[in-house]
Amino acid sequence: DVKVTQSSRYLVKRTGEKVFLECVQDMDHENMFWYRQDPGLGLRLIYFSYDVKMKEKGDIPEGYSVSREKKERFSLILESASTNQTSMYLCASSQLNGANQPQHFGDGTRLSIL
Amino acid sequence: AQSVTQLGSHVSVSEGALVLLRCNYSSSVPPYLFWYVQYPNQGLQLLLKYTSAATLVKGINGFEAEFKKSETSFHLTKPSAHMSDAAEYFCAITRSNDYKLSFGAGTTVTVRA
Repeated sequence: DVKVTQSSRYLVKRTGEKVFLECVQDMDHENMFWYRQDPGLGLRLIYFSYDVKMKEKGDIPEGYSVSREKKERFSLILESASTNQTSMYLCASSQLNGANQPQHFGDGTRLSIL
Repeated sequence: AQSVTQLGSHVSVSEGALVLLRCNYSSSVPPYLFWYVQYPNQGLQLLLKYTSAATLVKGINGFEAEFKKSETSFHLTKPSAHMSDAAEYFCAITRSNDYKLSFGAGTTVTVRA
């Protein structure tokens, strides 16, 4: 079965810390995505990667960076965490062949910045 | 740019009653549309997708959605609600020429016994 695994379900960090959120997929998917989910706003795309070492900014990339050194792993990095980055973060993956391919999601990481 | 609008942030239904969740889209090209469900403390799970093969799409857990081009709508229905249907539901559309999705704000469904 399809599996997207996020390393932490809950995470508490302090303002100014560098924070790493990890995501691994076992489906050999080319595309991987990072979203943040906030009440009333739905999901907003932070970054997107369509291949190893390739990345593309989404709608809200400010304050974030990403790393994709291996096909199965996509990391989201908060360079200097701030309280307005407290949110639910969701990772997803999809196949490359066709825009009609659904995205498969992990269970999310609920991040609190104090 | 492609976008979706979900009408109603909260819907409350009685167990056994019809569930109707509304989604309208805006697209300059034939769209690909999706409905996802999110149960508490979980990620999103695909319910169904429209990819132009048929206008009435059947999904998992008894849900279905009908694509109506004339109304630019893709509403989700289930004839008889079950307590396990309590969740948040998201409509999404593929943006043109790439693999990114634009999501609606979500509709939370509460099922009353």
